[in-house]
Amino acid sequence: DAKTTQPPSMDCAEGRAANLPCNHSTISGNEYVYWYRQIHSQGPQYIIHGLKNNETNEMASLIITEDRKSSTLILPHATLRDTAVYYCIVRKAGGTSYGKLTFGQGTILTVHP
Amino acid sequence: SQTIHQWPATLVQPVGSPLSLECTVEGTSNPNLYWYRQAAGRGLQLLFYSVGIGQISSEVPQNLSASRPQDRQFILSSKKLLLSDSGFYLCAWSAGTGGLAPLHFGNGTRLTVT
Repeated sequence: DAKTTQPPSMDCAEGRAANLPCNHSTISGNEYVYWYRQIHSQGPQYIIHGLKNNETNEMASLIITEDRKSSTLILPHATLRDTAVYYCIVRKAGGTSYGKLTFGQGTILTVHP
Repeated sequence: SQTIHQWPATLVQPVGSPLSLECTVEGTSNPNLYWYRQAAGRGLQLLFYSVGIGQISSEVPQNLSASRPQDRQFILSSKKLLLSDSGFYLCAWSAGTGGLAPLHFGNGTRLTVT
């Protein structure tokens, strides 16, 4: 699976949008971009995933650049409960490796009042 | 809706003792099941995954084993724990309908081997 690069930490004010970038310049055509987050002492939580089109759900929006080499996770109105480590993961479609998520170091997002 | 249960939440065990961690999933049939481990300050490592009853694939050779006696039950075991087995153990499931279904994790078991 393609390697991802994320900033180690980011800050965001409560109520503002949090924009978390991810670089995946070696992504291949059959690899999807997934985002998870892990709040301290809990299991990772799935947020969103996409291939090449922008995606939105009740938690967040995912913007993938046209060349697919980078993406941005957007939390539109961050709250204190969004403080967590956010992981950007590239995952290959199909095959036997589908459950093998490679978690990097992620971005520690701190939302402050 | 689907839920995943993992227990116990914390566990302290002496070196050489056995281990049994259990995970069950509700609200879905024939899920893919996974055991991950997260060492302190490190990323998650896939230990085992299962696509059906009795079908276990191991990702890394180690002191642990997994079993799936029922469709929605996944068990992680060890006959003799080592200090290096300490960590945060996470069970996860995904829909068994294809390779892109998101994984959904339980809240984990924090194991300390003393």
